[in-house]
Amino acid sequence: GNSVTQMEGPVTLSEEAFLTINCTYTATGYPSLFWYVQYPGEGLQLLLKATKADDKGSNKGFEATYRKETTSFHLEKGSVQVSDSAVYFCASRYGGSQGNLIFGKGTKLSVKP
Amino acid sequence: SQTIHQWPATLVQPVGSPLSLECTVEGTSNPNLYWYRQAAGRGLQLLFYSVGIGQISSEVPQNLSASRPQDRQFILSSKKLLLSDSGFYLCAWTSGTYEQYFGPGTRLTVT
Repeated sequence: GNSVTQMEGPVTLSEEAFLTINCTYTATGYPSLFWYVQYPGEGLQLLLKATKADDKGSNKGFEATYRKETTSFHLEKGSVQVSDSAVYFCASRYGGSQGNLIFGKGTKLSVKP
Repeated sequence: SQTIHQWPATLVQPVGSPLSLECTVEGTSNPNLYWYRQAAGRGLQLLFYSVGIGQISSEVPQNLSASRPQDRQFILSSKKLLLSDSGFYLCAWTSGTYEQYFGPGTRLTVT
């Protein structure tokens, strides 16, 4: 079946460090891909998305590129801040607007000042 | 604009007691609605989803149930809670787009 795999956490970085969180999906069809962020005690917020190959989603300094050849959607940010500390979820969606999201297990990011 | 509400925000219930969590969406019509559970230190587990009033699909068999009595209302229930039901419950909606929008969540602790 369809699945999403993302790197295990926790990830601890110093402020202004470069961030990469890896995410890969199973290659059955062409899903839409998402990154969600969950701040402590809150629900999930959509961070960015890409709906077709080679699309780049970006928001708040975060970027991710839909790579069909490697079935990946890695999240990157050039300079993290303490306020970026949160849990990040990669997700895929098959079947258009009627499809359900499939989430990775989440990666906890802690940024130290 | 669309908003999604969940209540209560936190709940502490004894084992064997009933449960009712409510989710309502404003500013949209005929949304798909979802219930997820997030156990401590774990990822999201889809519990139920609904594409319309009275239409419920269950993803994981368990002692929970869901109902959709109105277009923008989604309820998660249990007749008898188990310790393993503790977690963070999230409601979400989507309507004809690729995005899924989440509510603020309910923290349930079963003691």
